[in-house]
Amino acid sequence: NAGVTQTPKFQVLKTGQSMTLQCAQDMNHEYMSWYRQDPGMGLRLIHYSVGAGITDQGEVPNGYNVSRSTTEDFPLRLLSAAPSQTSVYFCASSSPPRGGAGRTYEQYFGPGTRLTVT
Amino acid sequence: SQKIEQNSEALNIQEGKTATLTCNYTNYSPAYLQWYRQDPGRGPVFLLLIRENEKEKRKERLKVTFDTTLKQSLFHITASQPADSATYLCALDVNYGQNFVFGPGTRLSVLP
Repeated sequence: NAGVTQTPKFQVLKTGQSMTLQCAQDMNHEYMSWYRQDPGMGLRLIHYSVGAGITDQGEVPNGYNVSRSTTEDFPLRLLSAAPSQTSVYFCASSSPPRGGAGRTYEQYFGPGTRLTVT
Repeated sequence: SQKIEQNSEALNIQEGKTATLTCNYTNYSPAYLQWYRQDPGRGPVFLLLIRENEKEKRKERLKVTFDTTLKQSLFHITASQPADSATYLCALDVNYGQNFVFGPGTRLSVLP
């Protein structure tokens, strides 16, 4: 299993440009999420999905769009990049919390995309 | 307002000692709490989960406690090693596994 994969690893954009960050998982997880990580602020949830065709906003959704047409893929679109979107972006997947007490429902994270907007 | 804090931004300890990291939260009622490890340039990796009805959970040299009255979790690494040096994040489940809120992290350095 490759786990959670993200592309690209690094990206530099000019203000106003658009782009899509790709995320894919091969663990058949129902839940997928996008986070951004900034120094001193931890991981902040941008958007999440509980299944194909279902998405919802997290804490910091403005300027980002998502869609979930398949279980495996969850792309994040930056519509018009701004310097405030300079950050490291992580995609994560997990299973919903059901089942026995031994289940841990942990999130599996991708390696991240480092985005710089100039 | 809702807030999640971790005791300090950085913690230095001597090899062989026990490292204790703190996660405090306000105005959340999480069903469970998770701890992750993050190495520089990498995504977080899951370590332990503890449920609201559990007081303590152990895994090898790791121990987590969860006090829902104090709204606090403690994360202990016993017999610490330089390889334990990393940033440790706590995460609250605030919506039945759909949403997690992460603390800012504590950067642990274990000195030989």
